[in-house]
Amino acid sequence: EAGVTQFPSHSVIEKGQTVTLRCDPISGHDNLYWYRRVMGKEIKFLLHFVKESKQDESGMPNNRFLAERTGGTYSTLKVQPAELEDSGVYFCASSQESGGLTDTQYFGPGTRLTVL
Amino acid sequence: ILNVEQSPQSLHVQEGDSTNFTCSFPSSNFYALHWYRWETAKSPEALFVMTLNGDEKKKGRISATLNTKEGYSYLYIKGSQPEDSATYLCAPGTWTGNQFYFGTGTSLTVIP
Repeated sequence: EAGVTQFPSHSVIEKGQTVTLRCDPISGHDNLYWYRRVMGKEIKFLLHFVKESKQDESGMPNNRFLAERTGGTYSTLKVQPAELEDSGVYFCASSQESGGLTDTQYFGPGTRLTVL
Repeated sequence: ILNVEQSPQSLHVQEGDSTNFTCSFPSSNFYALHWYRWETAKSPEALFVMTLNGDEKKKGRISATLNTKEGYSYLYIKGSQPEDSATYLCAPGTWTGNQFYFGTGTSLTVIP
């Protein structure tokens, strides 16, 4: 069974540009999560989808970030326009179960975003 | 927001040594805690999910304990091997929230 995949693995853009990150969860997993790790700091929750619906987007930093999950399969996270402080590793995770705190979340390898 | 502390921040041990590290968190409203193992450029790998005070979980040479009353969890590695080199992350969550909060991790390097 394929794990969670993310594309691209690395992205280098200039301040003010737009970047779209993609996450393909494990097939059949209704719950999809986005996280971000800024260098040297902890991994922080951004948002949680259940199928195509946003269950919790309390971690999204501001309105420059837009996440979608049309059809309840893969998800995209767009940053527009990108700022320097958006640099970091963006992780996606998915889980099969209830979406609760005891579910095991399976992580992708992350997309390393560098904004110059 | 949950204040999660992991110590030490980094650790170097010789192959064959046993080691342990700590995850501390506020004990009020505790619900569950996850341990992950993360090698840079790879996916964080789930090790354990723990919920009950006194829980002890084991996976091969790695084990973990949980004390919810005092707000800490220990991760133990017995007979460390070079392939154990990674960052170990803990992530507790509370009844009052619907997300878990990661610590900054303990970076373990096992020297052959």
